[in-house]
Amino acid sequence: AQSVTQLDSQVPVFEEAPVELRCNYSSSVSVYLFWYVQYPNQGLQLLLKYLSGSTLVKGINGFEAEFNKSQTSFHLRKPSVHISVTAEYFCAVSETSGSRLTFGEGTQLTVNP
Amino acid sequence: DVKVTQSSRYLVKRTGEKVFLECVQDMDHENMFWYRQDPGLGLRLIYFSYDVKMKEKGDIPEGYSVSREKKERFSLILESASTNQTSMYLCASRTPAGGRNQPQHFGDGTRLSIL
Repeated sequence: AQSVTQLDSQVPVFEEAPVELRCNYSSSVSVYLFWYVQYPNQGLQLLLKYLSGSTLVKGINGFEAEFNKSQTSFHLRKPSVHISVTAEYFCAVSETSGSRLTFGEGTQLTVNP
Repeated sequence: DVKVTQSSRYLVKRTGEKVFLECVQDMDHENMFWYRQDPGLGLRLIYFSYDVKMKEKGDIPEGYSVSREKKERFSLILESASTNQTSMYLCASRTPAGGRNQPQHFGDGTRLSIL
């Protein structure tokens, strides 16, 4: 069975600072990895996904994530944040043989002026 | 763009009632999913459906059932609502066409309160 752990439940940062949201996963088979964002009172939107190939994946709004197989991690980064990216972020994993997603607990990113 | 529509944004029901949550998608997707979202627990899969009239239990199916009579519609049913089913419910859909890496698309959620 697969599992996902998001290491920080809350990450407060100041505007224009860099940010990293951490995600570790566990699986005995090959996986796909995803980051979703949820703005207040909305559903989830896909930020980026890792399927295969280059371990550095770029997504929307300047976010990127790096897949590290040896550390089973998929951390999300942004070099400079704006207040508008305040939201909850979810890391998710699916086995390459299936379509089910397993989600982490979520990380609330709050950008302060 | 994929549109997943959940019939209610907010719903208040009483303990013991039978509750229906409806979800409709407009992209002819085969797969549909129901999750509940609780603070600190992320999203947990209740039921999913690979295609019309097909359904499979997710991780927390107890107290719930589903119906998929038409491809575009996936209903979640709380047979006898209880207070511990107060939660945010999210519906999602995806197509397996093009490979297993197709993402799920989400509705805006239904915030259900059971009194």
